[in-house]
Amino acid sequence: GNSVTQMEGPVTLSEEAFLTINCTYTATGYPSLFWYVQYPGEGLQLLLKATKADDKGSNKGFEATYRKETTSFHLEKGSVQVSDSAVYFCALKTSYDKVIFGPGTSLSVIP
Amino acid sequence: ETGVTQTPRHLVMGMTNKKSLKCEQHLGHNAMYWYKQSAKKPLELMFVYSLEERVENNSVPSRFSPECPNSSHLFLHLHTLQPEDSALYLCASSQGGGEIVGYTFGSGTRLTVV
Repeated sequence: GNSVTQMEGPVTLSEEAFLTINCTYTATGYPSLFWYVQYPGEGLQLLLKATKADDKGSNKGFEATYRKETTSFHLEKGSVQVSDSAVYFCALKTSYDKVIFGPGTSLSVIP
Repeated sequence: ETGVTQTPRHLVMGMTNKKSLKCEQHLGHNAMYWYKQSAKKPLELMFVYSLEERVENNSVPSRFSPECPNSSHLFLHLHTLQPEDSALYLCASSQGGGEIVGYTFGSGTRLTVV
């Protein structure tokens, strides 16, 4: 079946550090890929998405590239801020199926 | 009001109480979902409604009873809960079908069972 694997957290970084959160997936067909973010005390928000191979999703300084050859969708940001502290979920969806979420990676950015 | 709205934001209930969680979406979506989020556990999909019909029930105990009276509203009725049911309950909606879209989530109801 379809599944999403993310790197274990928590991840702790200093402000302005480079961020990478790894995500790999297993899916039949050609899924769309997503990153969601959950700030403390809130629900999940869609951060970015990519719908086909080699697409790059970007938003708020975050980027992720859909790599079909490595079945990956790693999240990156060049310079993190304290306000980026949150839990990040990688997810996939194929047609006529529900979204499959990864377990989430907690990020803590310290000043 | 736009997006997905959940009420109440916080709820404390005894094990013998009956309460309901409410979710409302104004996005014109035709599918709605209940998720349970517990500390240090993955998101658990509880129920899926598509076109107001329940299409998925992931072995959820009968003390949780969903209701979808129309495409804009979703309820989760709670009765005789256990302390391990304490969690953040998230509602989401989407435009179902073949189109590849993500979900829109509400802010959740933080439930504490005492």
